[in-house]
Order: sequence, then C-alpha cells, then structure tokens
Amino acid sequence: GDSVTQMEGPVTLSEEAFLTINCTYTATGYPSLFWYVQYPGEGLQLLLKATKADDKGSNKGFEATYRKETTSFHLEKGSVQVSDSAVYFCALSVGNRDDKIIFGKGTRLHILP
Amino acid sequence: DTAVSQTPKYLVTQMGNDKSIKCEQNLGHDTMYWYKQDSKKFLKIMFSYNNKELIINETVPNRFSPKSPDKAHLNLHINSLELGDSAVYFCASSNRGGNTEAFFGQGTRLTVV
Repeated sequence: GDSVTQMEGPVTLSEEAFLTINCTYTATGYPSLFWYVQYPGEGLQLLLKATKADDKGSNKGFEATYRKETTSFHLEKGSVQVSDSAVYFCALSVGNRDDKIIFGKGTRLHILP
Repeated sequence: DTAVSQTPKYLVTQMGNDKSIKCEQNLGHDTMYWYKQDSKKFLKIMFSYNNKELIINETVPNRFSPKSPDKAHLNLHINSLELGDSAVYFCASSNRGGNTEAFFGQGTRLTVV
C-alpha cells in the first residue's frame, strides 16, 4: 500500500545551520506530495507541496523537489531559525476515490540559539 | 474567520462516558476527515466523508461514530470512552482530487481518566 517514510528525530541544530529532513514514499499511482508543519499546541499547516515529478515546492525559505526516480521529497532550508522549531510531516495523496492523505511519522526539529 | 474549527479544544472525561467533538469548515470543501494523533505525534486517519458520504472507515472501534449532517460539518461521537482513547483528534477538510492540500483544525486534546 501507499506509505511515507521520513527520518526519525529529534533533529537538533544551531541557528543558521543547513537543514535536511529526508522523506521517501511508496505509491501505486502518481501522488501529490506535501510537507506540513506543526508548531507546539497547534494543528498542522501546509508548508509546501508539489504535484508532479521535478516540481519544486517552496515557502518561508524551505524547499523540496519531487524526485520520481528516487521516490523522494526531501525538505531543505539553508539557514534555520529558532522559530522553525516544530514537528515536520511529509505526506502524500494519490487522489483516487479514497482521497486519503497519508502522513509520515513526523520529525521533531529543535533549533538552538 | 477560522477555516476549520473544532470544539472543544480540551476534553477531560471519565472512563465509560460518551462524548462528542464537533467540526465545521467554511472553505466550501467537499471532503472532511478525522485523524488521531498519539503521544508520539503519529497521525492516523480514522474517517473521511465526501459530500456527506462515508468514504474511508479505517480500523477504528465501532465505539467511534462519525456523523455528517451536511458537507460543512463532520462530528465525532465516542461511546464508552477508554483510557487508550486519550489523544489529540484533528478534523481536516479538502477538495477531492488529491492535488489540493488539507486544512486542519486546531485539534481536540481528549484525556480519559
């Protein structure tokens, strides 16, 4: 079945460090891919998305490129801030009758000042 | 205006009680979901409805019963609450098709004592 695997956390970085959170997926169709962010005590917010191969999603300095050949959608940011501390979820949706959005297990990110 | 709103935000109740969580979306979406997030932040889909029709019913105890009076509302009723039901429950909505993201409510933290 469809699934998402992302690197386990927590990930701890110093402010201004480079961030990569790995995400790979398995899907029977042609999924859309998403990164969601959950700040403490809040619901999930869409961070970025890509709907087809080679698309790059970007928002707030974060980027991720839809790589069909490696079935990956890694999240990157060149210089993280303390305010980026949150839990990040990679997700996919195949858009079939189920319209189910499948999430990875989440990666907790701590940024130290 | 809150896009997806769920009430209550916190719910503390005793084992054996019956409780409901309400969800409303004002985005005009045709699909609504309930997700359960456990203490490790893992998100698992429970149900989804499209235009008031049940689409997804994952392996959830039949003590959990969703009700969708119209496509803007999806409520969750839980009978005979158990300690293991303690979690954060998120409502979400989207449009069918898979390319559009889901919008999440702020969550309801349910604690069963």
